[in-house]
This record gives sequence, C-alpha cells and structure tokens, in this order.
Amino acid sequence: EVQLVETGGGLIQPGGSLRLSCAASGFTVNSNYMSWVRQTPGKGLEWVSVIYSGGATYYADSVKGRFTISRDNSKNTLYLQMSSLRAEDTAVYYCVRDYFAFDIWGQGTMVTVSS
Amino acid sequence: EIVLTQSPATLSLSPGERATLSCRASQSVSSYLAWYQQKPGQAPRLLIYDASNRATGIPVRFSGSGSGTDFTLTISSLEPEDFAVYYCQQRSNPFTFGPGTKVDIK
Repeated sequence: EVQLVETGGGLIQPGGSLRLSCAASGFTVNSNYMSWVRQTPGKGLEWVSVIYSGGATYYADSVKGRFTISRDNSKNTLYLQMSSLRAEDTAVYYCVRDYFAFDIWGQGTMVTVSS
Repeated sequence: EIVLTQSPATLSLSPGERATLSCRASQSVSSYLAWYQQKPGQAPRLLIYDASNRATGIPVRFSGSGSGTDFTLTISSLEPEDFAVYYCQQRSNPFTFGPGTKVDIK
C-alpha cells in the first residue's frame, strides 16, 4: 500500500527546534518529488518546501533559512528540520508526494509553537 | 508568487444538484492546476490534475476545465459524501493554493 506517515510534531517554545519525519511505503522517496505542506485555520494550505528527485531543494520565503528538507534513502524517509520556530509556524504539517500533483498525503502532524 | 482566488467562498446546494466552483490565477499557469477535496479531520485528497485529468479512483461526476488564468471544477450531481471544502493549487514554484470553497448542504 502506498502510504506516508508523519511523526515528530508537538509543543515547542518559540525559538526552539523540531524535526519532523515522514516514512514512506509502497514507493521510493528518492525517485519522487516530495514536499511539506502546512495548514492553519487562518491561512489555509501553505506549501513549505520541496526536494526534487535530483536533490535540489526549494523553500517558501516564510521558512527560508530556518527550515531544511532532507531525505534518508536507506530509510525511505523524508525529514523537515525546523529551527528558530515562531508562533506563526503553528500548523498541521503534511508530507506529500508530488507526482503530476500532490497525489499522496500523510495524515499530518501537529506542531504548536507556544510558551 | 501566483495568487489564486476561489469563488464562491461557500456554495449551499442539495444532493443531486450541480456544483460549479471557480479558481482564478493572478497570472497564467497554463494547465498546471490541480483540485483537492478536504473533509474535516482529514488530509486533502487529489481530485483533478493538469486542469482536467481525474486522479486515480475519482468518480466521473468530478470534472475540471480551463487554462491560463480561469479554471472550473464541476460536480455534475452532488452525492452526500461530496460536501466538503475544495482547494485549487497551481504548480509553478512557489506552489500556491487558493483559499477554498466550502460546499455545504442547503
């Protein structure tokens, strides 16, 4: 079964760091474009970052310099390292496969940035 | 950054009726537009990619059309499970989503 499972969310203080993981099954992460998308009640869906099959990475301006996307081919897992977290980073974070469009979504993991 | 505008914000219809949702881009996205459905507590689900292609397993009552800056998602006859929020998304980096159209029961 093709599936994505995110872990690593939680409550973190402003300025802190957190790493999200996304384990894939049924397909190979490094052969696909993979993105992180977040969702907040106030701002709807927001694309965060992408890693292409060739390894190139891109970020939304709102997270550039603070977030890093990466993958571990041996574990077939995607990561999002988040640092210097702000209250406005509070959201549900989804890992998604980009194959023509965002065709496979994980269940999401909640990140709450609050003191 | 390409801005997507969706209308209406809310569409109140009855089962069996036809739903027509609009998405407008601030500049041309060619045919690189997708539509997603989201129900409460669930992740979005891909319905349509490249403006008019149904994703795997999507019923034929869902159809997409348009190119350039104006796009439409049509649900030919609403089923009870179709009441949800629908988002459009363009695929030029940085990828952006529209604010959504909520289809609710009249």
